[in-house]
Amino acid sequence: RKEVEQDPGPFNVPEGATVAFNCTYSNSASQSFFWYRQDCRKEPKLLMSVYSSGNEDGRFTAQLNRASQYISLLIRDSKLSDSATYLCVVNRVTDKLIFGTGTRLQVFP
Amino acid sequence: GAVVSQHPSWVICKSGTSVKIECRSLDFQATTMFWYRQFPKQSLMLMATSNEGSKATYEQGVEKDKFLINHASLTLSTLTVTSAHPEDSSFYICSAREGGLNKAFFGQGTRLTVV
Repeated sequence: RKEVEQDPGPFNVPEGATVAFNCTYSNSASQSFFWYRQDCRKEPKLLMSVYSSGNEDGRFTAQLNRASQYISLLIRDSKLSDSATYLCVVNRVTDKLIFGTGTRLQVFP
Repeated sequence: GAVVSQHPSWVICKSGTSVKIECRSLDFQATTMFWYRQFPKQSLMLMATSNEGSKATYEQGVEKDKFLINHASLTLSTLTVTSAHPEDSSFYICSAREGGLNKAFFGQGTRLTVV
């Protein structure tokens, strides 16, 4: 079983739609959680950290459920420019980042 | 935000030759840098952790004699793919962590094609 699992998608949604991605992690020692965005043939870029209390950044909302060991990302009012692969990432303090395989999002007009 | 610069962004080389990839942290000191490899439609896989002034730590299945890592200063780590073969063709990405922050910043990646 992979340490970080994501549905690879693709998720095809129209502009303006709300879309949610989930991610599960298997190591309960994981302490930090992130969502990264990766465009085709580019490096990953940090989208947002995920905090236990949940956090929001504009149209993006991230949630963490430690008891169930899952993380979610909600994107409201999808834009064409949101089309990318979204990577769920977990980290044990001072340890390496573990990446999920990513969920591909395609927003169409 | 912190900037990590990776060079070259792409390289084509002949089978059997060696290729060196540089990763620099431009505005912060990075005691630890990470090297990842990503094959098409797959996730980033950590290859090794590069530690300034000491030997790199390699992940299981990664040949340390093939992928030489040198972290000679707090702002530079290099990955050398020795005797490259076509199966080494991949997207190599480095990342660096800034000080006590628990965030990683990525280089632009290097697309290696071995012919």
